[in-house]
Amino acid sequence: QQQVKQSPQSLIVQKGGISIINCAYENTAFDYFPWYQQFPGKGPALLIAIRPDVSEKKEGRFTISFNKSAKQFSLHIMDSQPGDSATYFCAATPNFGNEKLTFGTGTRLTIIP
Amino acid sequence: DVKVTQSSRYLVKRTGEKVFLECVQDMDHENMFWYRQDPGLGLRLIYFSYDVKMKEKGDIPEGYSVSREKKERFSLILESASTNQTSMYLCASRADYYGPQFFGPGTRLTVL
Repeated sequence: QQQVKQSPQSLIVQKGGISIINCAYENTAFDYFPWYQQFPGKGPALLIAIRPDVSEKKEGRFTISFNKSAKQFSLHIMDSQPGDSATYFCAATPNFGNEKLTFGTGTRLTIIP
Repeated sequence: DVKVTQSSRYLVKRTGEKVFLECVQDMDHENMFWYRQDPGLGLRLIYFSYDVKMKEKGDIPEGYSVSREKKERFSLILESASTNQTSMYLCASRADYYGPQFFGPGTRLTVL
């Protein structure tokens, strides 16, 4: 049973555009939502994370938007750059990260000039 | 910087062989994890360990076992490798319950 649904599977965005990746979850006990970025040949690395007490978190060009009632959260990459080309995974876990992460299926993002 | 290393980047084994994947972290982290990554399926948790000699099953433990005799080392064992275990295997470590997970570079295992 997939508890975190991620879309789209792949995304092509022009340089300077906004990249948007969406995730939806079912388990209402989830209360910590990190995003991981993975470059080819590397392991995933934590990019940004949010807890449900806020609706938005911004770090540089990366923003997480969170909608608790809809059980959805999304990653926005502003002014997308070729160096942002990577695979992005959303994840969720209950108990403020105290337990194991459940990952989405990943989005391969390609930024074209 | 946290460093998580995995013993091999690429590994080719034959069906029925016993396979050991080793993971070492250098930051005295309490928790360690083994995932497999497959296209379209994301990362799926195989086993994790909260402390030395402790282990917990993840979502897909069948066909795998683990060993954690020392805090810095977490081994994944395929007792009898099968072709459906061909995958990318990722190890991760975490300082404590509230920290982020740090991943190694992965081992791409091919079982022929």
